Amino acid sequence: QKEVEQDPGPLSVPEGAIVSLNCTYSNSAFQYFMWYRQYSRKGPELLMYTYSSGNKEDGRFTAQVDKSSKYISLFIRDSQPSDSATYLCATESSYKLIFGSGTRLLVRP
Amino acid sequence: NAGVTQTPKFRVLKTGQSMTLLCAQDMNHEYMYWYRQDPGMGLRLIHYSVGEGTTAKGEVPDGYNVSRLKKQNFLLGLESAAPSQTSVYFCASRVAGTRETQYFGPGTRLLVL
Repeated sequence: QKEVEQDPGPLSVPEGAIVSLNCTYSNSAFQYFMWYRQYSRKGPELLMYTYSSGNKEDGRFTAQVDKSSKYISLFIRDSQPSDSATYLCATESSYKLIFGSGTRLLVRP
Repeated sequence: NAGVTQTPKFRVLKTGQSMTLLCAQDMNHEYMYWYRQDPGMGLRLIHYSVGEGTTAKGEVPDGYNVSRLKKQNFLLGLESAAPSQTSVYFCASRVAGTRETQYFGPGTRLLVL
């Protein structure tokens, strides 16, 4: 079993839709969770991070962690074509980041 | 401030050839990483370094070697390239001991024929 699981998609939504991206993780000791965004032919960039449980909001983006179910989510409100990218969830363990496989998102104009 | 740079951007190798990928960062970061990214597999850690002169194996180290002789550089070597090493390679770095972001380079596309 992979330590971080993520549905690869692709996920296609119309502009303005609310997008929900999700990951599950296996180790309850993980406490620090991140979402990276990767545009085509580019390196990943940190989008948001959360520590332990709860929500964190940044503009149109909300990151949510539910430690009881080992579930992490990223919500995008009022999605834009410029949000079209691959989104990777990640957690940290012993100096290293462990990534999910990424979900490809396409926002149609 | 260039951040993390990678050389070369693209390379074609024949099976059995060797090459070295160079990663350089100008942010004085202690930690550096090499990943490979394949369709449907996400980012998989090859090797990493927590300081100058130190290296450690990641998830998929076989067929690769690394060196960190200078703090700002992290080299990834392929001694005898195989078609299974066709991939996009990303280097990353971050500050030690904090939850600061990990910065990625733009990637190197490698095709092994």
